[in-house]
Amino acid sequence: KAGVTQTPRYLIKTRGQQVTLSCSPISGHRSVSWYQQTPGQGLQFLFEYFSETQRNKGNFPGRFSGRQFSNSRSEMNVSTLELGDSALYLCASSAGRSYTNEKLFFGSGTQLSVL
Amino acid sequence: QQPVQSPQAVILREGEDAVINCSSSKALYSVHWYRQKHGEAPVFLMILLKGGEQKGHDKISASFNEKKQQSSLYLTASQLSYSGTYFCGTELNTGNQFYFGTGTSLTVIP
Repeated sequence: KAGVTQTPRYLIKTRGQQVTLSCSPISGHRSVSWYQQTPGQGLQFLFEYFSETQRNKGNFPGRFSGRQFSNSRSEMNVSTLELGDSALYLCASSAGRSYTNEKLFFGSGTQLSVL
Repeated sequence: QQPVQSPQAVILREGEDAVINCSSSKALYSVHWYRQKHGEAPVFLMILLKGGEQKGHDKISASFNEKKQQSSLYLTASQLSYSGTYFCGTELNTGNQFYFGTGTSLTVIP
């Protein structure tokens, strides 16, 4: 079974540009969540989707948005990039809609650098 | 709502033990533990449910103290392969909200 796939692996953008990151979950998984990882801040929750519906959103500005398609693949978009958006963006998938008994499977992440 | 982990960093010699704590200000329903090695994706270790259960595999175990809203990860007889950053993930009682802790960097040296 293929794992969680994130593309691209690395991305360099300049301030003001926008970027789209992609995440393909494990086959059969319907939940996808996104996290921003920066040194010292741990994993900051961005949003979570289940069956194309956004269930939860973290405390990030509206420049951060996402969506999930009918095949469970998810995209995350950041508009008007700022230097502070430089981070590793991780997505995770799980089979069900509850965290209680569902472990998360993470992708290798997209390393975004904003210059 | 982000749980706080302590210590932030720890260095151990092979064979020594370590405890990593994860504390939340909110009521918790479950706690996950993950380990992330440098340059790799976080990998699941275990889930603990409300009810104070303790779980473990190999020489890594964890407990969940519901009254204190705290979970602890125990690593005994540490091995070089235990090095990495450990994250707890907490599911709030309100449901459908999941937050990772600040992380604990663990380094095991020969």
